[in-house]
Amino acid sequence: SAVISQKPSRDICQRGTSLTIQCQVDSQVTMMFWYRQQPGQSLTLIATANQGSEATYESGFVIDKFPISRPNLTFSTLTVSNMSPEDSSIYLCSVAWTDTPGYTFGSGTRLTVV
Amino acid sequence: QKEVEQNSGPLSVPEGAIASLNCTYSDRGSQSFFWYRQYSGKSPELIMFIYSNGDKEDGRFTAQLNKASQYVSLLIRDSQPSDSATYLCAVSGGNKLVFGAGTILRVKS
Repeated sequence: SAVISQKPSRDICQRGTSLTIQCQVDSQVTMMFWYRQQPGQSLTLIATANQGSEATYESGFVIDKFPISRPNLTFSTLTVSNMSPEDSSIYLCSVAWTDTPGYTFGSGTRLTVV
Repeated sequence: QKEVEQNSGPLSVPEGAIASLNCTYSDRGSQSFFWYRQYSGKSPELIMFIYSNGDKEDGRFTAQLNKASQYVSLLIRDSQPSDSATYLCAVSGGNKLVFGAGTILRVKS
């Protein structure tokens, strides 16, 4: 089965800084998504990463805070900008396959902002 | 706002029993329904999906869907300690998956 590589797996960052998370898939996919899972909570969709165009953000999430790139069909990045302790969370990349139901998730990035 | 509701639990069952996990959703236009299992510190893993009313069985797992009642459930037969995890219900009416808060299942040996 296809592999989703996400990095870094974890990081501890100072408030006010930014972190870029990478998601690499070993085959082309049409749909890529970024989710956030806060401690003890379920998954919240941040945005859909669109290849070659601006990401589509969900209510409550804005491009200035969470800029997303998707230069091709196998790669995407999510940047968490100007971080505060409230951004401490697990960030998950997810992909949808054309011939497989549901989404597959990357291993996640555990972010702690101090 | 599409909503997916689950009882957070924990649901405790003895080893070998049937675990029943339930989920309701608000969007009548939802078409696809998924159950994910998430072990502590790990990412969610798809275990079942269902599109049509009725039951769908896969090994020890059975998903049940009732669109009229906007209700989907997951039955785990012969529960094992290794089934202890958080089970997330997810619903899709298009390209996006909306997740419930998850139910913690604890299987006691």
